[in-house]
Amino acid sequence: EAGVVQSPRYKIIEKKQPVAFWCNPISGHNTLYWYLQNLGQGPELLIRYENEEAVDDSQLPKDRFSAERLKGVDSTLKIQPAELGDSAVYLCASSLGSQSTDTQYFGPGTRLTVL
Amino acid sequence: KQEVTQIPAALSVPEGENLVLNCSFTDSAIYNLQWFRQDPGKGLTSLLLIQSSQREQTSGRLNASLDKSSGRSTLYIAASQPGDSATYLCAPAGFKAAGNKLTFGGGTRVLVKP
Repeated sequence: EAGVVQSPRYKIIEKKQPVAFWCNPISGHNTLYWYLQNLGQGPELLIRYENEEAVDDSQLPKDRFSAERLKGVDSTLKIQPAELGDSAVYLCASSLGSQSTDTQYFGPGTRLTVL
Repeated sequence: KQEVTQIPAALSVPEGENLVLNCSFTDSAIYNLQWFRQDPGKGLTSLLLIQSSQREQTSGRLNASLDKSSGRSTLYIAASQPGDSATYLCAPAGFKAAGNKLTFGGGTRVLVKP
């Protein structure tokens, strides 16, 4: 069974440019998460979806970040415009649901470098 | 706000030695706690998930304990191997109302020398 798929794996852009990341969760997983991981730190949650509904976006910087999961399957995270401080790894994860027994499965991440 | 600390930040041991990785968290009202492994340049792999009602969970050479009241979890890796070299992260999940939201520690970077 395929795991969580993310693309691109690497992205280098200049500041003020837009960038988008794509995630396809494990088939049948209703819950999808986007995390940001800075170098040497643990991931931090940006947004969580239950099907197509964003149920927790309290940590998403809404002035420049946006996300969507229109059909409740794959998802896109966008930054516009990007800043130097956005350089990090963006991880997508999915789980069957939000029960205590539901393990989160992570994709390989997209490493963003903003020059 | 939940805060998670992992000590030590880095650990280097000879092959065959047992590993003990510590995790502490400030809010004991957790849903569950997961231990993850992260290899350089890769995503996270879930190793063990302990329910808040459980005291420990085992998988092969890995054993994780949970003392919710004191806000501590420990991951034991028996008879370490060079392939165990990676960063290990613990992540307690907020209570059900928070939708299984994970708060990660900074990780312990482990090097097992042949």
